[in-house]
Amino acid sequence: AQSVTQLGSHVSVSEGALVLLRCNYSSSVPPYLFWYVQYPNQGLQLLLKYTTGATLVKGINGFEAEFKKSETSFHLTKPSAHMSDAAEYFCAVSDQAGANNLFFGTGTRLTVIP
Amino acid sequence: DTAVSQTPKYLVTQMGNDKSIKCEQNLGHDTMYWYKQDSKKFLKIMFSYNNKELIINETVPNRFSPKSPDKAHLNLHINSLELGDSAVYFCASSQVGTINIQYFGAGTRLSVL
Repeated sequence: AQSVTQLGSHVSVSEGALVLLRCNYSSSVPPYLFWYVQYPNQGLQLLLKYTTGATLVKGINGFEAEFKKSETSFHLTKPSAHMSDAAEYFCAVSDQAGANNLFFGTGTRLTVIP
Repeated sequence: DTAVSQTPKYLVTQMGNDKSIKCEQNLGHDTMYWYKQDSKKFLKIMFSYNNKELIINETVPNRFSPKSPDKAHLNLHINSLELGDSAVYFCASSQVGTINIQYFGAGTRLSVL
């Protein structure tokens, strides 16, 4: 079975500071991993995904994430936070065989302080 | 053009009523989903439809029924609404055979009074 744990339901950073949102997964098979962002009163939008190959993946808006199998982690980072990054971020996992099943973490709310 | 659209955006109703939420996608995808997001932002899959066949039903009450008139639409009907049904409901779609990139609608905020 697949599951995701996001450490920290709320993260605050200063504008221009590093953003680090943590995600650990559990999967009995090689996982596909995703980060989605939800802006206020909007649906979820895909930020980036890991499937196979290069473990460092780059997404939209300057975000990137690194798949670390040994640590079962897929942390999301951005070198310099912008006010527009304030949103809810969700990590999700699906198994490669199941394809259509996405399991979401409980989300991390990012606040950017001017 | 909105890829996945849901209507209505807000829905306020009394306990015991029956209501529907509509979802349409113009992406040509063959699989559609309904998720429930509770007050703590936790997202849980409720249903998915692939080529008009229900392929996931995550132990939701049978008061909830998905209906798909065609592969571009997946509507959610809820009978005998309860206070605990208050949540944001998201529709999503994806294409089988891709890496399960799901595209989400903007959500429907349901408030049961």
